[in-house]
Amino acid sequence: NAGVTQTPKFQVLKTGQSMTLQCAQDMNHNSMYWYRQDPGMGLRLIYYSASEGTTDKGEVPNGYNVSRLNKREFSLRLESAAPSQTSVYFCASSLDRGRDGYTFGSGTRLTVV
Amino acid sequence: AQSVSQHNHHVILSEAASLELGCNYSYGGTVNLFWYVQYPGQHLQLLLKYFSGDPLVKGIKGFEAEFIKSKFSFNLRKPSVQWSDTAEYFCAVIAISNFGNEKLTFGTGTRLTIIP
Repeated sequence: NAGVTQTPKFQVLKTGQSMTLQCAQDMNHNSMYWYRQDPGMGLRLIYYSASEGTTDKGEVPNGYNVSRLNKREFSLRLESAAPSQTSVYFCASSLDRGRDGYTFGSGTRLTVV
Repeated sequence: AQSVSQHNHHVILSEAASLELGCNYSYGGTVNLFWYVQYPGQHLQLLLKYFSGDPLVKGIKGFEAEFIKSKFSFNLRKPSVQWSDTAEYFCAVIAISNFGNEKLTFGTGTRLTIIP
């Protein structure tokens, strides 16, 4: 019962470097989401994928790209990291477009120096 | 678009005190409502949820919440808190529509500190 698995758990990047955050779920969920969590700002949606083959921008998409590789996997890419992207990133999934709530991964703590 | 307000940013209580955390949302249609808890250094976990029916819902660890439609509120309560309840609590709302692509909207969270 892995649920939602995120890798890596921690990462330090230099400004301008790129990286991909990986997310995989084994619950046969249709929808997947990427959020960032910053102190005092709660969770903000970066991108989401309502179903396999579709992706859409959320509230704060600038500086990010996503790929829904298949039904299980949804990756988040930072092409040129900036200090403003220092945050904790959570991947989540849901069976039915979020109506039943989300299952969250354990998060990736990213620091950009 | 819907929004969620959690008015208490940081609440400090002694063990055995009663807890009520406020949550208000703005959306006039049908909603599903959730409370999530995030223990220090961990991910968000579902505490309870409301879809329809009895507006008083019970969740895990003795938590309950009451949906008051006329007040657009979904407050979280617990009669007697424990030190292990120290965590951050997030209210979330999803507006149900016929167009699909609904997404959860989260409040900014309430940090709860329980003093032994």
